[in-house]
Amino acid sequence: DAGITQSPRHKVTETGTPVTLRCHQTENHRYMYWYRQDPGHGLRLIHYSYGVKDTDKGEVSDGYSVSRSKTEDFLLTLESATSSQTSVYFCAITRTSGSPEQYFGPGTRLTVT
Amino acid sequence: AQSVTQLDSHVSVSEGTPVLLRCNYSSSYSPSLFWYVQHPNKGLQLLLKYTSAATLVKGINGFEAEFKKSETSFHLTKPSAHMSDAAEYFCVVMYGGATNKLIFGTGTLLAVQP
Repeated sequence: DAGITQSPRHKVTETGTPVTLRCHQTENHRYMYWYRQDPGHGLRLIHYSYGVKDTDKGEVSDGYSVSRSKTEDFLLTLESATSSQTSVYFCAITRTSGSPEQYFGPGTRLTVT
Repeated sequence: AQSVTQLDSHVSVSEGTPVLLRCNYSSSYSPSLFWYVQHPNKGLQLLLKYTSAATLVKGINGFEAEFKKSETSFHLTKPSAHMSDAAEYFCVVMYGGATNKLIFGTGTLLAVQP
């Protein structure tokens, strides 16, 4: 258990509405990540953060934005949700004591109708 | 560029028989490689990792993987499958230096028959 929680755990929303997913960690890790999981694709990196107010894009960042105003919270926002953003979203942190290891939150299942 | 290829999307074994899940990687430098497991409707759990120490890596639940540079492979094995091993398995490469970003394979779904 890496002390990662995600909220909400499930959400159904309509096309065109904004959605914000929250990731919260309790271990003060510097690096945090958002991934999406889709059948046949594994997990793909959306955005990541390397500190408060420091973020960068991953491989599938179009249509998503992120913010990190506190070390413990990393928010993912879909400004105008589309059906192609129906997915399971995972937050992760990297533990860097010793060789780096990445640990994942429980996931948020988002359905855009 | 870094990438991983999982050679089988589905593998089915009988309980008590060996498990082999195949993974090939591409990396421009000595990679850090991982296997994660995801049980149905659950999150991801780290099984094991390779980070340029011993080439044979032991993980949790009796799994191990061998890093073979000459074959660019990192196959996951277990001598005897258990029903509880039924899950999806992901081979993963870490890249990006200090940013520790991950690239996932597309996954192998392991079924264990009684």
